[in-house]
Amino acid sequence: SQTIHQWPATLVQPVGSPLSLECTVEGTSNPNLYWYRQAAGRGLQLLFYSVGIGQISSEVPQNLSASRPQDRQFILSSKKLLLSDSGFYLCAWSKFVPNTEAFFGQGTRLTVV
Amino acid sequence: AQSVTQLDSQVPVFEEAPVELRCNYSSSVSVYLFWYVQYPNQGLQLLLKYLSGSTLVESINGFEAEFNKSQTSFHLRKPSVHISDTAEYFCAVSISSGSARQLTFGSGTQLTVLP
Repeated sequence: SQTIHQWPATLVQPVGSPLSLECTVEGTSNPNLYWYRQAAGRGLQLLFYSVGIGQISSEVPQNLSASRPQDRQFILSSKKLLLSDSGFYLCAWSKFVPNTEAFFGQGTRLTVV
Repeated sequence: AQSVTQLDSQVPVFEEAPVELRCNYSSSVSVYLFWYVQYPNQGLQLLLKYLSGSTLVESINGFEAEFNKSQTSFHLRKPSVHISDTAEYFCAVSISSGSARQLTFGSGTQLTVLP
């Protein structure tokens, strides 16, 4: 069966520090991968998605970047965190067919102080 | 582009009462519809989905949703809620977009079941 791992679960970082969140998927190949952000009291905002190694699409301009160095690995990064980067970050994967759902990791609670 | 509107950000309801969480979508093409549930500090879990066929879909824990194409709605219902149903619920729509499939989520509805 497929599983998705996301870490760390919680993170407190000072303003201006770098960020690296990692997500890996097991049990499937060539998944679509996604990074979402959920700000307090708000819905899910799609940040990045990837359909293959090295292929990243950005949905909104921001202080973050994403990379996909391996088929089942998706990394969210920042060189210098801002206070506004605080939030709950969710990684997800789906198969490359439109009528299937996405499967989510447990999320990372990022607090920038 | 598609969009999803969840009209109610917060829905308080007493235990064993019925509940309806509303979801409307807009899309110029055929869509697939989903409801997800999120418990505090956790990821999202699929509750139910509409792909095709019967417009009424059910989950294993008593929730159901009905796809209404003319009203572009996919409201979630449960005839009798439990304390354990307290969570945030997200409606989502999926279409095929170029070479990638994207889920678009609503802003979520916080369901709070009161004793």
